[in-house]
Amino acid sequence: SYVLTQPPSVSVAPGQTATITCGGKNIGIKSVHWYQQKAGQAPVLVVYSDSDRPSGIPERFSGSNSGNTATLTISRVEAGDEADYYCQVWDNSSEHIVFGGGTKLTVL
Amino acid sequence: EVQLLESGGGLVQPGGSLRLSCAASGFSFVTSPMSWVRQAPGKRLEWVSSLSAGDSPYYADSAKGRFSISRDNSKSTLYLQMNSLRADDTAVYYCTQGGYRGYFESWGQGTLVTVSS
Repeated sequence: SYVLTQPPSVSVAPGQTATITCGGKNIGIKSVHWYQQKAGQAPVLVVYSDSDRPSGIPERFSGSNSGNTATLTISRVEAGDEADYYCQVWDNSSEHIVFGGGTKLTVL
Repeated sequence: EVQLLESGGGLVQPGGSLRLSCAASGFSFVTSPMSWVRQAPGKRLEWVSSLSAGDSPYYADSAKGRFSISRDNSKSTLYLQMNSLRADDTAVYYCTQGGYRGYFESWGQGTLVTVSS
């Protein structure tokens, strides 16, 4: 089955840029979606279809996808961005939805 | 405003059954794919099952043969019938809008299922 690999944790100072990766075999040909989950809350979609943002999501959140790695970039990080972030794809071959293991973003 | 309200969670013994419900509003339920996603305590998100707008069901390997997803369009309600429950089914179960071949655009607040004797 298809596997998505994320770093367990990323730390960044306020105002800096956070980069969270999601690795998968030929992930560049898939559509990747990203979710933010704050402690004790339900997940929220922050980027869909590699690089699109739902309404209400700040422009500071952006995404890219190429080769074997998809990336979520958060510019000008704020304390309120501290959360777990998950990538997700639809795997055509298995007709299954796959999530990455999640990355805990810590704002120093 | 999209609202997804789950109910039906609780404590159940191993081998038992439970039916989760999700009342939906604020969007066209009839034309929307719908899904269930769960999260065990302290663990990652895990897809459980999806129902396409055409009512084709899809299941994770962990759910196949034990869980059944369905919908009642007249009530704008999504269901998950869970049978032969095991301890590792213990999780918060989220109802979501979307999922089939795409992304989960809206999430409910979740309902906790605890499987324990």
